[in-house]
Amino acid sequence: TAGITQAPTSQILAAGRSMTLRCTQDMRHNAMYWYRQDLGLGLRLIHYSNTAGTTGKGEVPDGYSVSRANTDDFPLTLASAVPSQTSVYFCASSERSGSGANVLTFGAGSRLTVL
Amino acid sequence: GQNIDQPTEMTATEGAIVQINCTYQTSGFNGLFWYQQHAGEAPTFLSYNVLDGLEEKGRFSSFLSRSKGYSYLLLKELQMKDSASYLCAVRDSNYQLIWGAGTKLIIKP
Repeated sequence: TAGITQAPTSQILAAGRSMTLRCTQDMRHNAMYWYRQDLGLGLRLIHYSNTAGTTGKGEVPDGYSVSRANTDDFPLTLASAVPSQTSVYFCASSERSGSGANVLTFGAGSRLTVL
Repeated sequence: GQNIDQPTEMTATEGAIVQINCTYQTSGFNGLFWYQQHAGEAPTFLSYNVLDGLEEKGRFSSFLSRSKGYSYLLLKELQMKDSASYLCAVRDSNYQLIWGAGTKLIIKP
């Protein structure tokens, strides 16, 4: 089934450890995004990439880094995890960025708990 | 600042009609989206409005009034599977999506 694959599904991490959340899409979408979802808040954009080789900062980028070496993969790295990074992380993609009915396709999410 | 407001929770009866409202204050407007998210799952796209008026898609319709900064999602002939959260998102002048916190819809038999 075409779509977005995220891994791991769930992870418990000790504070101060590093962690990479993986995201792979097979739809040849140009744009990819990382969001975090916390109870009572809307989805918040962490980082995005409009096309392979480029990345940009979203609303809450501190403590996170991304890379976009090719079209399909967009990993999110936490260099030194803190408890406030406990959240559900969603990777998403869209055919392109910008105007129009630019629909996002989301992965199933990665639930991260930092203790 | 930018703000999207939706009711936190609504309850409706199977077979009935429910309207979920969304008001927004954003720096510019380049479209409004509704997504559905079942508990523990990913959001999925429902509708897109960029011009004023009603967009109908089966049992779901979405309305937009840009002058009022207002949208609603109308769900007809409610089914138990419609129990989910409904997320409103507005694309601002920088083409960034601003998301509401979502409305949890509970359907009772």
